[in-house]
Amino acid sequence: DTGVSQDPRHKITKRGQNVTFRCDPISEHNRLYWYRQTLGQGPEFLTYFQNEAQLEKSRLLSDRFSAERPKGSFSTLEIQRTEQGDSAMYLCASSPGGLQGETQYFGPGTRLLVL
Amino acid sequence: AQSVSQHNHHVILSEAASLELGCNYSYGGTVNLFWYVQYPGQHLQLLLKYFSGDPLVKGIKGFEAEFIKSKFSFNLRKPSVQWSDTAEYFCAVNLDTGRRALTFGSGTRLQVQP
Repeated sequence: DTGVSQDPRHKITKRGQNVTFRCDPISEHNRLYWYRQTLGQGPEFLTYFQNEAQLEKSRLLSDRFSAERPKGSFSTLEIQRTEQGDSAMYLCASSPGGLQGETQYFGPGTRLLVL
Repeated sequence: AQSVSQHNHHVILSEAASLELGCNYSYGGTVNLFWYVQYPGQHLQLLLKYFSGDPLVKGIKGFEAEFIKSKFSFNLRKPSVQWSDTAEYFCAVNLDTGRRALTFGSGTRLQVQP
């Protein structure tokens, strides 16, 4: 399978703990995106990388959230001191780069539950 | 800030019925428009997209959408739905300003009864 992969698929943690999610984009896609989706809502943009550079960040990305893409391939999203309001599906997407308005291809997501 | 509205939150149809799902956005500039579908237990998949040119766009599985700039709309249509079209449908907009973020609507859950 050559699609976007995410790990883990599910994560249950206690409030106050730190969690880290990983995303592997489609090979040779140089753009990578993180979104968050809560129940009954569409995905909300969090941040975007072009290669290893983080170029856009949403105001939703509080200082407890950090994302990296150190070698321009896989990316990690870390949430520190988790809160119950962080419970959501975290989606990763990638795109090949180049044309404006190109298609973003989504992974299966990591479902986070904070107790 | 731009927003995307999907007014139909839950639609129930019988097989062979026609489908139209509404999508309106609030931005006066150039936009790129997408419809994504999420089948039960699966990840988001692209149905169709509009960047420029012919405002009537055809996608996979017999879906089409029409961009009406004057109405800020990009409605999704299918002349005859099947049980396998049961899914959640999301409209998304990307501003043609160099930003990459997609803004999604809240989704429409379609249930097709056999």
